[in-house]
Amino acid sequence: DVKVTQSSRYLVKRTGEKVFLECVQDMDHENMFWYRQDPGLGLRLIYFSYDVKMKEKGDIPEGYSVSREKKERFSLILESASTNQTSMYLCASSPLPKDTQYFGPGTRLTVL
Amino acid sequence: RKEVEQDPGPFNVPEGATVAFNCTYSNSASQSFFWYRQDCRKEPKLLMSVYSSGNEDGRFTAQLNRASQYISLLIRDSKLSDSATYLCVVNSGNTGKLIFGQGTTLQVKP
Repeated sequence: DVKVTQSSRYLVKRTGEKVFLECVQDMDHENMFWYRQDPGLGLRLIYFSYDVKMKEKGDIPEGYSVSREKKERFSLILESASTNQTSMYLCASSPLPKDTQYFGPGTRLTVL
Repeated sequence: RKEVEQDPGPFNVPEGATVAFNCTYSNSASQSFFWYRQDCRKEPKLLMSVYSSGNEDGRFTAQLNRASQYISLLIRDSKLSDSATYLCVVNSGNTGKLIFGQGTTLQVKP
């Protein structure tokens, strides 16, 4: 079974803090993705990566950065958290670019 | 126009009913199609891939109509446990990105 884990299920941070969200997958997948999900807006792609040290902007990259130093780990960074970044953050991985994506359990981030 | 559109519902049906969801997509170059299921406050999980010839998995049947650019999901003999949000997912043309519809909510009542 594919397993995608995320470092925290719930996180509360203050405006201006730097926030790290970690994602690890154990299936040797090349491709990893970060989404946020908000009511009425669905899942929106923030960043994705096709390989180690490689990253591509998704549809809403502003205010975020990512790091992929190892194949199994993909980190999402909020350099200076803002209240409009309060959301559910979902990490996913897939073996091939157009293939099924497997999701982690999500991190519900609240920025006060 | 959204790349993937679904009726958000909710669809409220009694146990045992047959229910169908449709989804339309705008990019004719899309090649991969999926239905995901998402339970409340949980992550999306793959329900089934959708193939050109149509495919069935137990009580679930998925169909693809490339000419009209829509995908459907049929659920027969609905169970209470089928209550969830069903996400239509399409790859974005020749890229590796998947585009998720906003989901259709199904409530199966006893």
